[in-house]
Formats: sequence, structure tokens, C-alpha cells
Amino acid sequence: KAGVTQTPRYLIKTRGQQVTLSCSPISGHRSVSWYQQTPGQGLQFLFEYFSETQRNKGNFPGRFSGRQFSNSRSEMNVSTLELGDSALYLCASSLEGVGFSGNTIYFGEGSWLTVV
Amino acid sequence: AQSVTQPDIHITVSEGASLELRCNYSYGATPYLFWYVQSPGQGLQLLLKYFSGDTLVQGIKGFEAEFKRSQSSFNLRKPSVHWSDAAEYFCAVGASDKLIFGTGTRLQVFP
Repeated sequence: KAGVTQTPRYLIKTRGQQVTLSCSPISGHRSVSWYQQTPGQGLQFLFEYFSETQRNKGNFPGRFSGRQFSNSRSEMNVSTLELGDSALYLCASSLEGVGFSGNTIYFGEGSWLTVV
Repeated sequence: AQSVTQPDIHITVSEGASLELRCNYSYGATPYLFWYVQSPGQGLQLLLKYFSGDTLVQGIKGFEAEFKRSQSSFNLRKPSVHWSDAAEYFCAVGASDKLIFGTGTRLQVFP
């Protein structure tokens, strides 16, 4: 069974540009979440999608957005990149989401974004 | 507000020694608790989880954790550490369709 797949693994962008990251969840999983990991702030929740609907959102500016497709694949977009957006972006998938007993949350390897 | 505290930023142990990583949580209801491990440059791998039932949870790689409601703790243990266990360990609580993570504990293992 394939795990959570994130692309690209590494990318470098310039301030002011935008970036799109992709996540393919485990087959059958309908919940996809995104997290940002930085040395200073640690692991922070960005948003969660379930059946193409955003169900929960963290405290990030509107430059951070996401979507989920009918096949459960998800993308996140960051517009007008800032130096502080440099981070590891992790995607997580589960059958129905964290709030449901028995759901295991599986993470991908992450996308390393460097903003210069 | 929900939160997770991992009081130890960095722990160093000798190979073969026992290990305990501390985790305290703040959450109003019955928590869903997780331990993840992250090797350098990698994503998060689930070690174990607690949802309900037996408070002593067994995980992969010989790890176990004990849920103590009275102490709001979910400490991770391993009886004998291997050099390959060197990594960063994160405790997390599941709350409102998201995971809230602690700041992590970096484990260093000496031969």
C-alpha cells in the first residue's frame, strides 16, 4: 500500500513568487491535512480537507490556501512568498480525520521550501 | 486551550540504556494522543497512539507509552535504546480535526 506522496520534495523560490505543493493521500483516505514545520515555530497546523471541503483552518494568513480534488489529492498554495515561509511542509492523511476514534494519521516525507 | 509540553529539548543516552521521554498535555476531553519520530530530513513516522482502553500502549520499534489521566501525561519509554533510535520525537494531541504538537525532544545515542 503506497504511503502519502508529496511533490516536489525540494524547491527554491524567490520572494514575491508563489508556490504550489501537491499531496496524494493513501488510497481510501479522505482526510488530508497540511502542517508547516520550522525551527522557530515547530509543527503548526495549516488546514484540513475532507471530501473536497475545508473543515478546519489554522492561524495562517490568507496567502496560504489549499484545495482537495474528488480523488482526495490535495494541493496547497502560498502566494507572495516571504523569507519566513521557508519551511518543511508536511501533508498528512487519514480515513476520516483526527477527531474520529481509531483514525491513524500518516505523514508524507514533506516538501522543503526555501525562499530566497 | 489545548497544548502539549515536552519538557526535555535534548536527551543523550548510551546505547542499551533505558529511555523515557516526557509529554504532558492540556485538553478538556478525553484526548487522542500520539507519538511520532522524525529522522533528519524525513517526515513523521507514527510510533504509537492512544484513543481509549488500556492505558499502556505498545508501538513499533519496541516503544511503549503510558497514558496517565491524573497526571495529564503520555510518556514514551523503551527498555533498551539502539543507535538507530537517534532522532527527534514529537508528542501530539488530536483536537478538533488537527494535531497539536509539542516542541519535540532530540534524542542522541552514544555507543
